[in-house]
Amino acid sequence: EDKVVQSPLSLVVHEGDTVTLNCSYEVTNFRSLLWYKQEKKAPTFLFMLTSSGIEKKSGRLSSILDKKELFSILNITATQTGDSAIYLCAGANRDDKIIFGKGTRLHILP
Amino acid sequence: DAGITQSPRHKVTETGTPVTLRCHQTENHRYMYWYRQDPGHGLRLIHYSYGVKDTDKGEVSDGYSVSRSKTEDFLLTLESATSSQTSVYFCAISETGGTGSPPNYGYTFGSGTRLTVV
Repeated sequence: EDKVVQSPLSLVVHEGDTVTLNCSYEVTNFRSLLWYKQEKKAPTFLFMLTSSGIEKKSGRLSSILDKKELFSILNITATQTGDSAIYLCAGANRDDKIIFGKGTRLHILP
Repeated sequence: DAGITQSPRHKVTETGTPVTLRCHQTENHRYMYWYRQDPGHGLRLIHYSYGVKDTDKGEVSDGYSVSRSKTEDFLLTLESATSSQTSVYFCAISETGGTGSPPNYGYTFGSGTRLTVV
């Protein structure tokens, strides 16, 4: 059965800290790994990763995929209170199905 | 998001009644998805569609049916609602189903429908 596992499930850090969120996956006919940020309502898209070793960056956020180890990380540097959210990882297969992990709830203390 | 709307935003219904949730998009995207989000489970795929009248089941499809008679609308129906179907339901759309190059990849989610079955 396909699954996506995120860790930790919850994380509390101080503003300015750097955090690393983890995502492991087992997805048959894997195509891409997706990261989302969910604040109050719907998830918003962050990154899509399809190739190993190529880092995607957007401001203080970056992510990388390891297709050999079936693993991805999302890094956030110099965290701010506005980074507080649930971060969702999802695996997409070639049949256009997407499986989400349970998410990591990140709380940034001022 | 401007290109995708869900209705209703909130609904309270009684056990055993039928309920239909609507997802409407103006982006002409091929792929549409229905998810439910529950504490401790994250987002779980109910059904998805890869074209008009083309649908398939997700991981939690029991008790749900869908229809897509035109590109812009994807309907989720609970034939006989149960308390276990109390949840927040999200619709998502995708132009390429997760492939392709920027900006034509990724998914856009609706704002969600909070359904309570009493």
